[in-house]
Amino acid sequence: AQSVTQLGSHVSVSEGALVLLRCNYSSSVPPYLFWYVQYPNQGLQLLLKYTSAATLVKGINGFEAEFKKSETSFHLTKPSAHMSDAAEYFCAVSDNFGNEKLTFGTGTRLTIIP
Amino acid sequence: KAGVTQTPRYLIKTRGQQVTLSCSPISGHRSVSWYQQTPGQGLQFLFEYFSETQRNKGNFPGRFSGRQFSNSRSEMNVSTLELGDSALYLCASSLDGVASANEQFFGPGTRLTVL
Repeated sequence: AQSVTQLGSHVSVSEGALVLLRCNYSSSVPPYLFWYVQYPNQGLQLLLKYTSAATLVKGINGFEAEFKKSETSFHLTKPSAHMSDAAEYFCAVSDNFGNEKLTFGTGTRLTIIP
Repeated sequence: KAGVTQTPRYLIKTRGQQVTLSCSPISGHRSVSWYQQTPGQGLQFLFEYFSETQRNKGNFPGRFSGRQFSNSRSEMNVSTLELGDSALYLCASSLDGVASANEQFFGPGTRLTVL
């Protein structure tokens, strides 16, 4: 069974500082990995995805993530935080063998300090 | 192109009632998935429909059911509502489903409150 673990349910960073949100996965097969963002009272929006091509994936809004198989990690980073980045972030995993569901982590709420 | 729409956005029901939620996917998308989001359990997969067939199912009781129509619109039904069914129900559509790594586009959700 696949799973993802997000370390830190709440993360606070100062505006302009580095954002680092952690995600570790567990999968018995090569996974697809995703990061989604959820703003209050809205659905989920895809930030980026890893599908076994380049290990460094660039997404929208300046976010990127690096797939590290040796560490089973897919951490999300952004060099400089903006106030508009305040939201909840979810890491998700799916296998690529016909399993049509996403398994989500528990989410990390990102707060930006002015 | 219009996004995924879900109706209604908010619902209040009482225990024992049943409820039907609707999802209209992005035009051309054939896969529709449903997720339940609660503070305690997080985001959990309910089921996925593709070309009117349930292709995958999560670990929810039989009170949760769904269907998909020929135009790809989908409905989910919850019968005999329980307090624990209070949640945000999210619908997501994609071209062919997650296994092909197609992006899933999420709707804004339906907030169900069971009293």
